[in-house]
This record gives sequence, C-alpha cells and structure tokens, in this order.
Amino acid sequence: EAGVAQSPRYKIIEKRQSVAFWCNPISGHATLYWYQQILGQGPKLLIQFQNNGVVDDSQLPKDRFSAERLKGVDSTLKIQPAKLEDSAVYLCASSSGQGSRKLFFGSGTQLSVL
Amino acid sequence: DAKTTQPPSMDCAEGRAANLPCNHSTISGNEYVYWYRQIHSQGPQYIIHGLKNNETNEMASLIITEDRKSSTLILPHATLRDTAVYYCIADAGGTSYGKLTFGQGTILTVHP
Repeated sequence: EAGVAQSPRYKIIEKRQSVAFWCNPISGHATLYWYQQILGQGPKLLIQFQNNGVVDDSQLPKDRFSAERLKGVDSTLKIQPAKLEDSAVYLCASSSGQGSRKLFFGSGTQLSVL
Repeated sequence: DAKTTQPPSMDCAEGRAANLPCNHSTISGNEYVYWYRQIHSQGPQYIIHGLKNNETNEMASLIITEDRKSSTLILPHATLRDTAVYYCIADAGGTSYGKLTFGQGTILTVHP
C-alpha cells in the first residue's frame, strides 16, 4: 500500500516570499491533516479536512496560511508571506474517516525561512 | 482531551525490553490511550491504542492500569531502529473528528 506522499522534501526561502507544499494521501482516506512541527516540539495541527471540506482550522494563521483540498484527494498548503518563525517541518497525514485516530503521516517538508 | 505526562528521555540496551511510562490521571471513561513514535526525519507512526484492556500487536504491548490513570508501552526486544520519540496521547476518538494533540514525548535511545 502506498503511503502519504509529500513534496518537496526540503525548501529554503527568504522571509516575505511565498511557498507551497503538496500532499497526496493514502487512496480512499477521507480525512486529511496538516501539522506543523517546530524543532524540539511535537506536531501541532494546523488544519483538518473531511473529504474536501474544512472541519478544523482553528490553529491556522489565516492571515498568511491557506490550504485547499480539491476533489477531496490531493491537498496544498501555502504560506504567503513567510516569516522566520514559520521555519518548521510541515507534515501531512491521512486517516480512513471520522473518528479514526490511526493517522498515517508522510515524511514531511522541511522549510527554512532565512 | 486528557493531559498526558511522559519522562523526557530514557535509555535502553539493545535486546532488552523498553518500558515507556505515561501518566494520564485525568483521563475520562471514553478516552483511549494512543501511542505513536517518530523516528528522525520521518513523520509519526502509529504503534498501538487501548481503552481498558491490555493490547498487543506485532510492534508492542500496551499495559493500562486498572484505574486507567497510567499506562506502559513495552517494546519486548528493543533494537537500534527503535530509537525514536514516543508520544502517548489520550483521545476520545469515536464520533468526533480525529484531532490528535501531540505533547513533547519521550526520547528513547537504544544502545548497542
């Protein structure tokens, strides 16, 4: 079974630039998550989709972060403009559906903002 | 969701059992205990979960105390590849949408 795919693996940008991350979840998984993991901390949920609808974006900094999940499959997370404190690993995860806490994570995108 | 407390780090010798404790004294009756681990440069990986009874799978065993206020994840024969951050999470699951909240976890180092 193919896992959660993310790209790019690494990204280096300067502050105030924009960046986008892509995620392809496990086939058939209805729920998709984006987590942010700052060095030395546990992952923090940014946004959660159920199919192509947002069910939780309470911790997403909406002035600069946006995310979409077109057709309920792939998802993109965008940051515009980036700040130094956005340097982190951005993890995408998927699960089979409502109520499941068995999440499958991708390897993440490591973002460095200079 | 109940708060969990884990030691920041632990060591274990290769081939020995690794016993990782987790305290969740405020856990409610409908909250499960989930364990994930995160190997360096990878995303977290699900290990096991349980409600009241002890659970075992191909990766580990989960022992939950009778009062459910603490649990222990057991890796019966630790290998160097088990070196990782281990997260214990208490979550209701069920009908609410999954929103796992990760803490700091325990850094387990397996030594040769």
